[in-house]
Amino acid sequence: GQQLNQSPQSMFIQEGEDVSMNCTSSSIFNTWLWYKQDPGEGPVLLIALYKAGELTSNGRLTAQFGITRKDSFLNISASIPSDVGIYFCAGQPREDNFNKFYFGSGTKLNVKP
Amino acid sequence: DGGITQSPKYLFRKEGQNVTLSCEQNLNHDAMYWYRQDPGQGLRLIYYSQIVNDFQKGDIAEGYSVSREKKESFPLTVTSAQKNPTAFYLCASRSESRGAIGYTFGSGTRLTVV
Repeated sequence: GQQLNQSPQSMFIQEGEDVSMNCTSSSIFNTWLWYKQDPGEGPVLLIALYKAGELTSNGRLTAQFGITRKDSFLNISASIPSDVGIYFCAGQPREDNFNKFYFGSGTKLNVKP
Repeated sequence: DGGITQSPKYLFRKEGQNVTLSCEQNLNHDAMYWYRQDPGQGLRLIYYSQIVNDFQKGDIAEGYSVSREKKESFPLTVTSAQKNPTAFYLCASRSESRGAIGYTFGSGTRLTVV
């Protein structure tokens, strides 16, 4: 299957700090998604990106579809304790006709009050 | 409210036993998926189905089986052939309609072999 490299693997930050994480692939993707997973629950969609260069916000979250179509970034501004969780990127390869998404290994975010 | 329901939340299996994980959705989604989640490895695709009575192997299908007899249901059987079945299993669904956005996930089933 496709390989998505997501970094960093984990982060420990202070409440109020900004956070950045990214995801890269070896092939071109049509769609990038960012999910958040709370402990013991299923991932919930945060942001969807469909065009190279697209920048989309959802509250304090901002994500970008990289110009090369091989990467995506997620930024969280002014972090709060409820931001704790695992953030996953997911991408759909251009050549894939079956609507399968491939997932990164996740970024575990810890926020200290 | 529409959603996707997985049951049970926790499941314990003895070695050598088959177990079946349930996944039901009332979103009228065409496609359904099973993923396995292990710490530090993200989500890996086990099986997926785009229409009733049809399904395809994902990247790690060995030791698993599925059926799709109804649009709403996509049960996953973890067979005794799966050598390391302890994991968190996630079911997802997606509309095949143009413009559909990503997957909707269930809340997962944690399977432990005892």
